[in-house]
Amino acid sequence: GQSLEQPSEVTAVEGAIVQINCTYQTSGFYGLSWYQQHDGGAPTFLSYNALDGLEETGRFSSFLSRSDSYGYLLLQELQMKDSASYFCAVRAVNNAGNMLTFGGGTRLMVKP
Amino acid sequence: DVKVTQSSRYLVKRTGEKVFLECVQDMDHENMFWYRQDPGLGLRLIYFSYDVKMKEKGDIPEGYSVSREKKERFSLILESASTNQTSMYLCASSLPGTGIYEQYFGPGTRLTVT
Repeated sequence: GQSLEQPSEVTAVEGAIVQINCTYQTSGFYGLSWYQQHDGGAPTFLSYNALDGLEETGRFSSFLSRSDSYGYLLLQELQMKDSASYFCAVRAVNNAGNMLTFGGGTRLMVKP
Repeated sequence: DVKVTQSSRYLVKRTGEKVFLECVQDMDHENMFWYRQDPGLGLRLIYFSYDVKMKEKGDIPEGYSVSREKKERFSLILESASTNQTSMYLCASSLPGTGIYEQYFGPGTRLTVT
């Protein structure tokens, strides 16, 4: 099976930069996704990486290192509205690539 | 805009009842998924379907079944509800292949089994 580890909680100040790490263990790997979920809301897709390197989408960037089984989500110029939970999810060969396995989520609190 | 709707936001059922959770998507997506979300455990996949009448077990299928008779509709059935099935249930849909990375979620159904 797969396992993913991410910190349970991160706190940062408005305007700062924060990095949310995700390490995974899987017998095969296709790619890594990131989702955001506000309290009471549905998860929404942020980005995915299938290849090594950095993908940038506005204030958010996602990085993948396949050799290290590691990725991170980078949030820049933090805003109060970025307070939410963030989930990494892997698509793996050993489930025929037909599903995502999600981490436990990181709760980000942005303080003024 | 993709829209995924779920039949109820909140549901309270008694132990032993048969429970139906309905999900409808309007973007002609091939893939549909049912997850449950519990604090600290993230989203865990119960079942998914990649086509009408097709289904695959996820990580935690025990105690659940599903039905997909039409492309836009995916139902989750709890045959005999138990208190350990109290949870938030999320439905999602996606395109096939690499579309699976970008899943569109419904608002969720918070089920309480007493």
